[in-house]
Amino acid sequence: AQSVSQHNHHVILSEAASLELGCNYSYGGTVNLFWYVQYPGQHLQLLLKYFSGDPLVKGIKGFEAEFIKSKFSFNLRKPSVQWSDTAEYFCAVNAPGSNTGKLIFGQGTTLQVKP
Amino acid sequence: KAGVTQTPRYLIKTRGQQVTLSCSPISGHRSVSWYQQTPGQGLQFLFEYFSETQRNKGNFPGRFSGRQFSNSRSEMNVSTLELGDSALYLCASSLKGNGYTFGSGTRLTVV
Repeated sequence: AQSVSQHNHHVILSEAASLELGCNYSYGGTVNLFWYVQYPGQHLQLLLKYFSGDPLVKGIKGFEAEFIKSKFSFNLRKPSVQWSDTAEYFCAVNAPGSNTGKLIFGQGTTLQVKP
Repeated sequence: KAGVTQTPRYLIKTRGQQVTLSCSPISGHRSVSWYQQTPGQGLQFLFEYFSETQRNKGNFPGRFSGRQFSNSRSEMNVSTLELGDSALYLCASSLKGNGYTFGSGTRLTVV
């Protein structure tokens, strides 16, 4: 079955530390990849997306992600986190045959940044 | 530019009742998708509508249904509510699959 796996359920970092959140997916063929963030009490917001082209994607708020096709991975990174990055992060994949609205989400990673 | 609007924000219903949730997509967006978010199961895809037609459906029982109107607004309905239906229901709209914008959700509590 199609699935998305996020390796870390809960990550605690100090401000200025570097962040890497893992995401692996199980699909064959072409996929579209997304990272969403959900700040406490707020709705899901798109951080970045990958459809094709340069596998290193830059998003908002200093986040970036690298698509490694051979590893079926799309890891999220940020060189230096801030307290305001405390949130839940979701990796998502379009189901095959897409440009449809069916996103398969990972279980989410809660990031807590200590001031 | 207005975002995705979901109404109501909160609902409390009794087991066995039915409920209708509404979603108004971003102007011009023709795809509307619905998701259920719970602490245990995470974000799960319910269904997607495009130009008033259901284009995809997730693995939910037939008690969960939806529709889309000619102005792209969408509703989802849950009949014969169960305690396990308590969740945050999210709607997302898209122009051409080029990213999906989510609404703030409707938090449904079934008692």
